[in-house]
Amino acid sequence: AQSVSQHNHHVILSEAASLELGCNYSYGGTVNLFWYVQYPGQHLQLLLKYFSGDPLVKGIKGFEAEFIKSKFSFNLRKPSVQWSDTAEYFCAVNNNYQLIWGAGTKLIIKP
Amino acid sequence: DSGVTQTPKHLITATGQRVTLRCSPRSGDLSVYWYQQSLDQGLQFLIQYYNGEERAKGNILERFSAQQFPDLHSELNLSSLELGDSALYFCASSVEYGGSGEQFFGPGTRLTVL
Repeated sequence: AQSVSQHNHHVILSEAASLELGCNYSYGGTVNLFWYVQYPGQHLQLLLKYFSGDPLVKGIKGFEAEFIKSKFSFNLRKPSVQWSDTAEYFCAVNNNYQLIWGAGTKLIIKP
Repeated sequence: DSGVTQTPKHLITATGQRVTLRCSPRSGDLSVYWYQQSLDQGLQFLIQYYNGEERAKGNILERFSAQQFPDLHSELNLSSLELGDSALYFCASSVEYGGSGEQFFGPGTRLTVL
């Protein structure tokens, strides 16, 4: 069965540190890739998505992600995090039938 | 505001009871998805409806059922509730049939089973 792995369940960083959250998926065919964010007490919202084209995707709030097909990865990055980035981040992969979700990574930014 | 509405926001009930959660998708969206989010299980996909028909099933218990009505709103019915059913239940909607596009999430219903 298809699966999505997010390697880190909890990440704690200081403000201005660089961020990389890992996401790997198991499906070998054509995929659409997503990162969603859930701020404390709020609903999930789309951070960025990849369907095709440039594998480096830019999203909202300075986030970007790189699709590396050979590694089945779609890692999320931000060069300098802020306290307001404290949230839970979910990677999701669509294989033309449904979205498969990762377990999420809780990110805490220390001011 | 995603355009997806869910009612009620909070629900407190007792074990063994039955509750109904309601979701109205964004205008024009034909697909509705239900998710359960709990501390121990994380985000779990329950079920998807597309234009009134069940489209995909995830980790949905037999005690749970859902339907999508002609006006495209959806209801999730949870019966014989157990303490472990306490969770945040999200509804999402999208235009697409196969879930290939962005899903827009509602604010969720927090269910507490005592």
